[in-house]
Amino acid sequence: QVQLVESGGGVVQPGGSLRLSCAASGFTFSGYAMHWVRQAPGKGLEWVAFIRYDGSNEHYADSVKGRFTISRDNSKKTLYLQMHSLRVEDTAVYYCAKDLRYGSSWSHFDYWGQGTLVTVSS
Amino acid sequence: EIVLTQSPATLSLSPGERATLSCRASQSVSNYLAWYQQKPGQAPRLLIYDASIRATGIAARFSGSGSGTDFTLTISSVEPEDFAVYYCQQRSNWPPITFGQGTRLEIK
Repeated sequence: QVQLVESGGGVVQPGGSLRLSCAASGFTFSGYAMHWVRQAPGKGLEWVAFIRYDGSNEHYADSVKGRFTISRDNSKKTLYLQMHSLRVEDTAVYYCAKDLRYGSSWSHFDYWGQGTLVTVSS
Repeated sequence: EIVLTQSPATLSLSPGERATLSCRASQSVSNYLAWYQQKPGQAPRLLIYDASIRATGIAARFSGSGSGTDFTLTISSVEPEDFAVYYCQQRSNWPPITFGQGTRLEIK
C-alpha cells in the first residue's frame, strides 16, 4: 500500500532553516510528480511546491519562492523540502502529496502523508 | 491566481439528509477541479477529481458536478462519518494550485 512518511519538522527561530523529508513506499516513486502542501494551525490548505517525476521541473507558491527548494532522490524514494529564511507565517503542518497520474503532472493529490509540524517562533 | 470560493462556510445537517456544497472559481477552470475531505488531526483525502470522477474507494453517495466556474459536491445521504471539512482544489492554469477556504459539515 502507498505510504508517505514525513519527518524533519520542529521548532526553529525566525530566519532559521529546516529540511523536511518524505519517505515513499508502495508505488513507483520515480514515475510520479510530488507536491508539498501546508496547513497553518486552524486554517485551510495551501499548496507550496511541485516537482516533476524526474526532477526536471519545479514550481513554487509566491509565498515561498526564493526561500524554499523542493528536490527528490528517486534512488532513495525520498522527497525533500529545504526551507531557509523561515518566517513566523511559515508555521504549519507540512504534507507531502502524491500526484494522481503516472508520468504526468495532473496535480490532484491521491495520497498524503500524515504531516510534520514546523513551528517558527522566537 | 485563480480564487476558489466555497459556500456555505458551515453546513449543519442531520444524518440521512442530503448535503450540497458549492465551489465557485474566479475564472474558468474547465473540469480541472477536485474535492477533498479532512477530519480533525488527519490528512486530506481525495474524494472527487476532474470535477466528477470518484477516487478509488470512495462511496457512491459522494458525487461531483459542474464545469467552468461553478461546481458542486453532493452527499446523497450523509453518514455519521461524513462530518468533516471539505475543500475544493483547482489545477487549471497553474502555478499556483489553489484551494478553497473549506466548508465545515457539522451535525445538526
